[in-house]
Amino acid sequence: LAKTTQPISMDSYEGQEVNITCSHNNIATNDYITWYQQFPSQGPRFIIQGYKTKVTNEVASLFIPADRKSSTLSLPRVSLSDTAVYYCLVGDENKAAGNKLTFGGGTRVLVKP
Amino acid sequence: EAQVTQNPRYLITVTGKKLTVTCSQNMNHEYMSWYRQDPGLGLRQIYYSMNVEVTDKGDVPEGYKVSRKEKRNFPLILESPSPNQTSLYFCASSLGLTSGFLSYEQYFGPGTRLTVT
Repeated sequence: LAKTTQPISMDSYEGQEVNITCSHNNIATNDYITWYQQFPSQGPRFIIQGYKTKVTNEVASLFIPADRKSSTLSLPRVSLSDTAVYYCLVGDENKAAGNKLTFGGGTRVLVKP
Repeated sequence: EAQVTQNPRYLITVTGKKLTVTCSQNMNHEYMSWYRQDPGLGLRQIYYSMNVEVTDKGDVPEGYKVSRKEKRNFPLILESPSPNQTSLYFCASSLGLTSGFLSYEQYFGPGTRLTVT
């Protein structure tokens, strides 16, 4: 099964940059890396997706090194409303498993005033 | 507005009474999926569907059924619910395969909180 490893939790303060690293040592060659944000009792919300190097959108940046065995989600200048759980998602490297998707445990980010 | 809808949002039922949770998307997405979320266990995929009449098991399919007769709808069926199926359920959809790559950009519904007593 595809395995992702993220820190369980992180604390930060308003206005700071938050970086969350996800390890995915067995990522398949043609798989994208996707990050989601989830607030309590709501469905996850897509944040950003990338394949290699760097991707940036209005919400976050995603850094992927050349070996693609990890990725880092960067949230610039966080606010209290960024307090949420963040998940990184990659596909299953065992293609016999079909197109099943397995979420990791997520990182709980707490932004303090 | 592009969205995934689920009904009902809340449901309390008793053991053994068959129920269906509906899911519908208006984005013409090919890939649809059901997840359950439990404290400490994160999001676990129950079933997914690559397209009409094509469904497959996720990580926790036991006790659930699905069907995909139309592209927009993907109902989750619990033939004989048990208390261990008490959970928060999410339906999601995405484009599916694009140039041979599976898109992981999923749109999630608002969730259905199910309690089985």
